[in-house]
Amino acid sequence: DFVMTQSPESLAVSLGERATINCKSSQSVLLSSTNKNFLAWYQQKAGQPPKLLIYWASTRESGVPDRFSGSGSGTDFTLTITSVQAEDVAVYYCQQYYSTLYSFGQGTKLEI
Amino acid sequence: EVQLVESGGGLVQPGGSLRLSCAASGFTFSSHSMNWVRQAPGKGLEWLSYISRSGTPTYYADSVRGRFTISRDNAKNSLYLQIDSLRAEDTAVYFCVREGDSGSYSASWGHGTLVTVSS
Repeated sequence: DFVMTQSPESLAVSLGERATINCKSSQSVLLSSTNKNFLAWYQQKAGQPPKLLIYWASTRESGVPDRFSGSGSGTDFTLTITSVQAEDVAVYYCQQYYSTLYSFGQGTKLEI
Repeated sequence: EVQLVESGGGLVQPGGSLRLSCAASGFTFSSHSMNWVRQAPGKGLEWLSYISRSGTPTYYADSVRGRFTISRDNAKNSLYLQIDSLRAEDTAVYFCVREGDSGSYSASWGHGTLVTVSS
C-alpha cells in the first residue's frame, strides 16, 4: 500500500508570506519510462468539495493562480503558495494515483 | 461545464444498504474512468473505488472491498455505488469524481451526498 504523509498538519502564515506543504510517499510514484510522477494536489475550502490544483506533481490545472506550484519527484513532494491570499485558507491534500489503489495524505490546514 | 450530481444518501440503520447515484453531464461520460471518495465528518479524504471507462476493471480500498460495489451505465451517463452491511464508521459525505483527460488524477468532483448510519 502507498501511504501518503503530509507535514505539517497545520500551518499559519501572514498575508503575502510563502506557505510550504510537504507530502511524502511510502513508495516512489515516479514511472521511469515516462518520467512522470503520479502525484496531485487538491484544495478544499470549508463546505466545498475538493478542487484540483496540481497534477503530474508540477502541472498547474487550468485557472489555478500561478502563486500555486508543485515540485518534487519519487517520494518527496512540495506544494508552495507564494504570497498567500485570504482566499487560500483551506485544507490541502496530496494524492498518489500511481497504484491502482489510490490514496490521499491526511491533509494540511492553512490558516492566516 | 462538467457537472456531477450525487444522490441517494440519507439516514440508514446499521446493517442496512444504500445505492448512491451520480448523474454526469457536460462531458463524454464513457470516455472517463470514475471514482468514489468519501469524507467522514471533520476528517480527511478516503478513496473508495475506481471503475474504468468500460466498467471493467474495478478496484476497491481494503476498507470497503466486499461490501461496496461500483458500477456505471454509460447510456444513462450515470455512476453508482451499492453499499451493503453499513456500519457507523461509513457515515460520511460521498463524492463522485471524474478522472482527468491525461491521467488518473481527480479532475472534477461533485458536491457529495451525506450518508448517516445510526440506529
